[in-house]
Amino acid sequence: GAVVSQHPSRVICKSGTSVKIECRSLDFQATTMFWYRQFPKQSLMLMATSNEGSKATYEQGVEKDKFLINHASLTLSTLTVTSAHPEDSSFYICSAGATLLSTDTQYFGPGTRLTVL
Amino acid sequence: GNSVTQMEGPVTLSEEAFLTINCTYTATGYPSLFWYVQYPGEGLQLLLKATKADDKGSNKGFEATYRKETTSFHLEKGSVQVSDSAVYFCAFKAETSGSRLTFGEGTQLTVNP
Repeated sequence: GAVVSQHPSRVICKSGTSVKIECRSLDFQATTMFWYRQFPKQSLMLMATSNEGSKATYEQGVEKDKFLINHASLTLSTLTVTSAHPEDSSFYICSAGATLLSTDTQYFGPGTRLTVL
Repeated sequence: GNSVTQMEGPVTLSEEAFLTINCTYTATGYPSLFWYVQYPGEGLQLLLKATKADDKGSNKGFEATYRKETTSFHLEKGSVQVSDSAVYFCAFKAETSGSRLTFGEGTQLTVNP
């Protein structure tokens, strides 16, 4: 149980275009979802926290107008990278927390590799 | 502030060797502690966790004990396998942070046959 999926797993786009990444909790309701960015051989950097039905809370230094997060339902959150540039190329990982399952555990998606040409 | 310090890698071992990856944390109160594993090309998976002092988390032969007195949560395995090759992340959740996790830098483990 507690499976989180991400789509797409890989995406290549041209500079200036926007890319949407979906994160779904498949068998539980995710009251909170997190978006991370991971650079090669480095740890995860938390970008933002989103709660269903409310605006996301962004970490310091993360541009909210560039990384649009929507958490419209208890099973779906989306991250849209707007006007992507090569420096946005990275591995983006979402995770979901579920109060009913455990307040301590986050369940991670498999990640999305974004390459901006 | 809250932070996690993890043993630097990479770590290279032979199959059946003993593994220790050190992790210490700085946090107020009684955080919950975690080890996550990331296999090549995949997302993170929870390996084990401990939620209070002296708890021992264990899974797949890995163990870690929550040591409040030394603020540590070192990961150990008695006999590693090639399939254990991955990146291991220590993390904690502070009492007041909801579900938010703070991660260490990660330790790359390579196990050779």
